[in-house]
Amino acid sequence: QLQLQESGPGLVKPSETLSLTCTVSGGSISDTSYYWGWIRQSPGKGLEWIGSIYYSGSTYYNPSLKSRVTISVDTSKNQFSLKLSSVTAADTTVYYCARHPSSYWYFDLWGRGTLVTVSS
Amino acid sequence: QLVLTQSPSASASLGASVKLTCTLSSRHSTHAIAWHQQQPEKGPRFLIKLNSDGSHNKGDGIPDRFSGSSSGAERYLTISSLQSEDEADYYCQTWGTGIVVFGGGTKLTVL
Repeated sequence: QLQLQESGPGLVKPSETLSLTCTVSGGSISDTSYYWGWIRQSPGKGLEWIGSIYYSGSTYYNPSLKSRVTISVDTSKNQFSLKLSSVTAADTTVYYCARHPSSYWYFDLWGRGTLVTVSS
Repeated sequence: QLVLTQSPSASASLGASVKLTCTLSSRHSTHAIAWHQQQPEKGPRFLIKLNSDGSHNKGDGIPDRFSGSSSGAERYLTISSLQSEDEADYYCQTWGTGIVVFGGGTKLTVL
């Protein structure tokens, strides 16, 4: 049974870069049927798509975050990663990794999420 | 612009049925969507992928009490025989070329 698990620092200083990793277990990140994505959710707020990546490295980003986001993939480790630069308190949210089919971009499997707080 | 609109809240009694609505922007009325459930203090869970003709496929282990339907630009999630664990936030989600959009979510209270 495929599972996704987010990991990374829970505290990041303002103006620094947030870095998170999602580890895929029970399946291969190189499965050509799927993309892998990051979504975030501010406390008490809704869901916001950050971006998605294919195993080949092809990426798509939310236009509102594109200038600060980099998503990468490491097929040898079965992981994909998120970097968000120049963070502010507004980036304090729960970050989820998830999977969506290549042809229909609905998230059909989610990680449990990890809270990242931006504070000095 | 691709937009999904949901009512912020809904309520229904234990054992009853409830129908939640997600409305697509008019130019995108034929888009498929997905419904996700987020129980308190948990991550989201995929429920149903719903097409414009009402056909749908569910996530693994999703009970038959959950069903989807469509009419025009509206996509519905019906939950029958409501249980206490159905009290949650429900989000619809759709996609366009290289973009993903979420609705604002509906908080369902089971009375």
